[in-house]
Amino acid sequence: GAGVSQSPSNKVTEKGKDVELRCDPISGHTALYWYRQSLGQGLEFLIYFQGNSAPDKSGLPSDRFSAERTGGSVSTLTIQRTQQEDSAVYLCASSPGGIEQFFGPGTRLTVL
Amino acid sequence: SQQGEEDPQALSIQEGENATMNCSYKTSINNLQWYRQNSGRGLVHLILIRSNEREKHSGRLRVTLDTSKKSSSLLITASRAADTASYFCATVFLGNTDKLIFGTGTRLQVFP
Repeated sequence: GAGVSQSPSNKVTEKGKDVELRCDPISGHTALYWYRQSLGQGLEFLIYFQGNSAPDKSGLPSDRFSAERTGGSVSTLTIQRTQQEDSAVYLCASSPGGIEQFFGPGTRLTVL
Repeated sequence: SQQGEEDPQALSIQEGENATMNCSYKTSINNLQWYRQNSGRGLVHLILIRSNEREKHSGRLRVTLDTSKKSSSLLITASRAADTASYFCATVFLGNTDKLIFGTGTRLQVFP
């Protein structure tokens, strides 16, 4: 079966523009996570969806960041008015039940 | 701030040698997981150890957990050049959601 997929794999944008990053989790996985990884750093938790519960947004760095998960499956992370410090790899993961997480290949975002 | 701190930050060894990486965390946990990352993209789950376990093995991997010291170690025995990657510990807080909090990572280089 297919793993977690993310698109685009690379995104270059200009400062001030909005971007949307997409994550397709593994079918049937109820939990979905977004992380951010700056160059040479560890992963920073952003947001967590579990079933129909309200998402845990505690890791979102500012109100420019938002995410939604439609129909309990695909998720979109939106960054409005991008800044250069938003440049990073954005990783999505899904899980069947909160134990092992399965990661996608990530989207490398570069803000010029 | 991130929950886990790892040391060393970087480790270089020869093939056949053992590699030991350490992880320390700050608060009580439900479980601790180790992940591997190649080339700064997707992560792969290696092993999970629960808070009531002290040691776990998987192939050439051995993980220990000392909850009194809030620390864990990952040992890779008989290392291979293909083990070259970054290794991260990640914790699930006791009583929290299932989101993972990642450490800073250890970059392992295995020379043939």
